[in-house]
Amino acid sequence: TQTVSQSDAHVTVFEGDSVELRCNYSYGGSIYLSWYIQHHGHGLQFLLKYYSGNPVVQGVNGFEAEFSKSDSSFHLRKASVHWSDSAVYFCAVSPFTNTGKLTFGDGTVLTVKP
Amino acid sequence: GALVYQYPRRTICKSGTSMRMECQAVGFQATSVAWYRQSPQKTFELIALSTVNSAIKYEQNFTQEKFPISHPNLSFSSMTVLNAYLEDRGLYLCGASPWGNQDTQYFGPGTRLLVL
Repeated sequence: TQTVSQSDAHVTVFEGDSVELRCNYSYGGSIYLSWYIQHHGHGLQFLLKYYSGNPVVQGVNGFEAEFSKSDSSFHLRKASVHWSDSAVYFCAVSPFTNTGKLTFGDGTVLTVKP
Repeated sequence: GALVYQYPRRTICKSGTSMRMECQAVGFQATSVAWYRQSPQKTFELIALSTVNSAIKYEQNFTQEKFPISHPNLSFSSMTVLNAYLEDRGLYLCGASPWGNQDTQYFGPGTRLLVL
């Protein structure tokens, strides 16, 4: 059974600040890790994913995430946020052998103040 | 590009009635479709994973008797919520994976179900 933990339910920053949204996971086998964004009232948009190789992966809109096997983490970062980045961010894992089965974290609400 | 449409976008049904929602993949062949539910103030729970030419696999707490799914071809899937009650309200998403790229899911905008 895979689990995903997003320790921060809410994160508030100012426009232009950097931000890191944390994600920790547990699973015994090979997995895919991904991040999604949900704007208010909408569905999910894909940001980025990781399976192997360079532990830092680049996504859309300036987001990147870094995989750490030792910490079982896949934190999402952005160097300079914009007010339009305000949304709920979900970390997700899926087993390599069944990649259609995503397990999501509880989400982190990011609020960017002007 | 790869797009996923869902309809209706929003629906209201009376308690005890049923409601069918649809998912359409455009620009790619959806060999697998996953249905998720996001209850109010919660995260996304996987209901079931449907792969063409394979049995549909339901997650714990979700059954075919309550959420029957049809996946007749590589572009379309539907799911019905039978005998909907208050606890069934939420946003229902379908995520479709293309052939040869099973690690990617394209999500539709969701169907929001309100139960009165």
